[in-house]
Order: sequence, then structure tokens, then C-alpha cells
Amino acid sequence: DAKTTQPNSMESNEEEPVHLPCNHSTISGTDYIHWYRQLPSQGPEYVIHGLTSNVNNRMASLAIAEDRKSSTLILHRATLRDAAVYYCSRTGNQFYFGTGTSLTVIP
Amino acid sequence: GAGVSQSPRYKVAKRGQDVALRCDPISGHVSLFWYQQALGQGPEFLTYFQNEAQLDKSGLPSDRFFAERPEGSVSTLKIQRTQQEDSAVYLCASSLAGRGRRVYNEQFFGPGTRLTVL
Repeated sequence: DAKTTQPNSMESNEEEPVHLPCNHSTISGTDYIHWYRQLPSQGPEYVIHGLTSNVNNRMASLAIAEDRKSSTLILHRATLRDAAVYYCSRTGNQFYFGTGTSLTVIP
Repeated sequence: GAGVSQSPRYKVAKRGQDVALRCDPISGHVSLFWYQQALGQGPEFLTYFQNEAQLDKSGLPSDRFFAERPEGSVSTLKIQRTQQEDSAVYLCASSLAGRGRRVYNEQFFGPGTRLTVL
């Protein structure tokens, strides 16, 4: 039973919006949904998190489905610096990361 | 300010050797995590501390793995009698607070220690 599932890879043109999906159909009612991104040879970097409501910060937006079984990380205008592996994770009583989506940004 | 630091950054061990990996969390962070990341995979949870108390060690793969945080700050992950399958990047993360066993805040990760077992 995969705790979170994500597409292996996605591509986006520079300056275009990117929607990165994550499925977490077995999430418990009190687990938060966190997103991190990771560059080669670095530790993951926090992007955003939420529980039930949609969330915005300076880096991205997080849209959480009403049933909480899925979420979408939205980068409003992809830049070359956004190229990374993006991880969706469940955080609360236990801590699960997905296998990540490798985002390629095309100039 | 200083982030999470880990040492050494790289460690090569012969099979059967013991290794110790160190993590210095952000000052004042109550929660500390260890993860194992295999090549091309996401981080896998190993263990979690709140201050000096190890609240969850369910992810430790065998009794060869041991972690401690005796004074509630620096933590050490020890692997005894290393095996080739232990080769991975070991990530440490800290978080400002936790509520009992639950942690909701963002985690700040160190750069990791890449362990290679020959």
C-alpha cells in the first residue's frame, strides 16, 4: 500500500504554470500534507503544507481535494530554478514521503 | 542563521564495520528525524526524537541501527556491522515543535551523509 503516489516525471515550459499531483487516498484525518523539493546532492527543501484548506505562500499554492485523498502543488510561473524532484509527504503521527516527481523546465 | 548540519558528508565503510553519523539540528528545534534515501527514491522514515526522547523508531530496518540524542540537541545514528544494502544517503531533519507524537511543522533538512559500504 503506497502511502503517497506521484507521477515519475513532468515537463513544463518556462513561465508557464505547473500542476504537480499527489494521491494520498489512505491519509488519516489528522495528517498534514507537506511538499518538499530536492536538488541533486542536497537535502529536501520545504515548499508548503496544509490540512484541509487551500494554502498559498510566496513559493507556491497547494490545492487539497475536499475528500483529502489527493492534492496538487501549483507553481504559478515555472522558472529554470524550479527544476527539481518534488515530494509529497504525509506528516502527523507518521511520516511518509512519495517517490517524487522530477520536474523539467524547458527554456 | 545556521541550518541543519551533518557530518561526515561522505563515508566509505568496509562491510562489517561500524559507522556513526552525526546531526546538528537548528538550535531550539525540539523534533529531530532521521531518514534513509536510496538512489532515485524518496526519503524513508527511520526514527524520530522529541527532545531526548525517541518517540518512534519503527522505521529502523534492523537491530544493527541505533540512534540517540542524549541531551536533546545533537543526534547520532549508528550502524553496526554495515552491509552493502545499507548504502544510501542518510538525511537528518529538525522541526521547531511537536505535539506529543505528532509533528505538523515544516522540517528543515541537512545535506545528508552518503554512506557507501564496499
